[in-house]
Amino acid sequence: QKEVEQDPGPLSVPEGAIVSLNCTYSNSAFQYFMWYRQYSRKGPELLMYTYSSGNKEDGRFTAQVDKSSKYISLFIRDSQPSDSATYLCAMSSSGGGNQFYFGTGTSLTVIP
Amino acid sequence: ETGVTQTPRHLVMGMTNKKSLKCEQHLGHNAMYWYKQSAKKPLELMFVYSLEERVENNSVPSRFSPECPNSSHLFLHLHTLQPEDSALYLCASSQDTAMAQHFGDGTRLSIL
Repeated sequence: QKEVEQDPGPLSVPEGAIVSLNCTYSNSAFQYFMWYRQYSRKGPELLMYTYSSGNKEDGRFTAQVDKSSKYISLFIRDSQPSDSATYLCAMSSSGGGNQFYFGTGTSLTVIP
Repeated sequence: ETGVTQTPRHLVMGMTNKKSLKCEQHLGHNAMYWYKQSAKKPLELMFVYSLEERVENNSVPSRFSPECPNSSHLFLHLHTLQPEDSALYLCASSQDTAMAQHFGDGTRLSIL
């Protein structure tokens, strides 16, 4: 069983839609959860960094962690064409770099 | 210049060549990482350096050799690579190994 599962998509939505991106994981010791956005020909860019359960909001982005279900989500409100990218989830048990586990990424296209 | 800079952006080499990838970070971070990104696979952590000491080596073949002369610079020396080594090689840095990582834009490596 993979440590982190992420649907690769592709996901295509109209501009203005609410987007929901998700990852599931198997290791109950994970406590640090991250979402990265990766544009074509670019490196991953850190979007959200949360610890333990709960929600965190930053502008149009909301990260949600449900540790009881081992499920994390990233919601994008009022999606824009500039949100078209691949979104990677990542998580770790101690926050340490040598224990980060990444999903395979979900490709998102927002159609104008 | 800010962030994490990687050179070259693209590299084509034969299986018998020797080349080096370079990474420089301008964020004042103390930890640096090499990752391999292949299509439809999660990011694979290769090496971790903290305060210029290697703290992680994830069973990477000896044809990859890292070097960290100071906290701002990281190299990946390549020799006698195989076609399956063709991938995007990403460098990242973080304040310390407990913090989220910031990535460069990668070197796209193609082995002929």
